[in-house]
Amino acid sequence: KNEVEQSPQNLTAQEGEFITINCSYSVGISALHWLQQHPGGGIVSLFMLSSGKKKHGRLIATINIQEKHSSLHITASHPRDSAVYICAVETSGSRLTFGEGTQLTVNP
Amino acid sequence: DSGVTQTPKHLITATGQRVTLRCSPRSGDLSVYWYQQSLDQGLQFLIQYYNGEERAKGNILERFSAQQFPDLHSELNLSSLELGDSALYFCASSPGLTNERLFFGSGTQLSVL
Repeated sequence: KNEVEQSPQNLTAQEGEFITINCSYSVGISALHWLQQHPGGGIVSLFMLSSGKKKHGRLIATINIQEKHSSLHITASHPRDSAVYICAVETSGSRLTFGEGTQLTVNP
Repeated sequence: DSGVTQTPKHLITATGQRVTLRCSPRSGDLSVYWYQQSLDQGLQFLIQYYNGEERAKGNILERFSAQQFPDLHSELNLSSLELGDSALYFCASSPGLTNERLFFGSGTQLSVL
């Protein structure tokens, strides 16, 4: 079993829909990251969080440390949100362990 | 544009060869991280340097080595290359010791034939 599990692996939505991507982990962590990888391959860091909730524009990330679970929400989804979303956890020091990613496609 | 520059963008080489990947961090960032992304293993953390010193090590093979120079740019050296080393290699930088505010380069696609 991977230390970081994401679900779903693939997600297709219609423009405007509310989207949720889940991340569960099995190890103790100091922080959790959400990353976005564009179709061209470039990676952007979206959030780093160790508790509670963070919001940036239409993106919201939450984490429940007790349940070892995090969610990434996208409100009013748009085709430009189509990308792979990757969850990563910080274990010791600054080492990141990555999930396999969720491929999101938003259709117009 | 993240401000992190990686060169070259693409590299094609043969098994047994040695290559060097280069990364220039964002201006002012002291930490440089190297990651490998392959089809079978996904993204993996390789190594972190902070202000010239190695700070954390991940799944980096003994055939691979890295360093960070006084001007803070970093190089990842891959030697005795194997087919399985074909991957996208990302560099990222951050201002301090931690992963907070992580900025990624566009990657170097390495193909070992």
